[in-house]
Amino acid sequence: AQSVTQLGSHVSVSEGALVLLRCNYSSSVPPYLFWYVQYPNQGLQLLLKYTTGATLVKGINGFEAEFKKSETSFHLTKPSAHMSDAAEYFCAVRRGGTSYGKLTFGQGTILTVHP
Amino acid sequence: EPEVTQTPSHQVTQMGQEVILRCVPISNHLYFYWYRQILGQKVEFLVSFYNNEISEKSEIFDDQFSVERPDGSNFTLKIRSTKLEDSAMYFCASSEGLAGVETQYFGPGTRLLVL
Repeated sequence: AQSVTQLGSHVSVSEGALVLLRCNYSSSVPPYLFWYVQYPNQGLQLLLKYTTGATLVKGINGFEAEFKKSETSFHLTKPSAHMSDAAEYFCAVRRGGTSYGKLTFGQGTILTVHP
Repeated sequence: EPEVTQTPSHQVTQMGQEVILRCVPISNHLYFYWYRQILGQKVEFLVSFYNNEISEKSEIFDDQFSVERPDGSNFTLKIRSTKLEDSAMYFCASSEGLAGVETQYFGPGTRLLVL
């Protein structure tokens, strides 16, 4: 079974500061890992995903995440926060190597960006 | 850009009533999903659907729930006799394929309130 833990339900940063949202996963098989973002009154939008290959994954809006197998982590970062980054962010895991489609989500992290 | 749409955006119902939540997946997608998020909790997988059959379902998806693709565009989730604990945001998603690398595209959700 897979599980995801996001450390910190709320993260607050100043505009221009580094954004770091933490995600740790548990999976009995090599996982596929995803970050989704949800803006108010909108659906979940894919930011980036890791499946195989390069462990540093770049996504939309300047975000990136690094898969660290030894630490079972997939933290999301952005060098410089923008006001428009304020949203809720979800980390999710999926079984790798099979056709199972289910995503297992973390509890979400609300990012607030102060001017 | 193609998107998943859901109707209604909000639904209020009385306990014991039947509700049908509607989704229009992206047109060339073949795999469909329902997830839900109870307020303050994680996004949880309910069911996946392909070729007019349920591919996978969670323990939450009991006999009170059913899914259907009544025509070539709609995908519905029916709750036969709603309970207070069914109050949640319900997300529909679709993907081209079922493999783990495939991106699931989410709709904006339907907020269901059971009184």
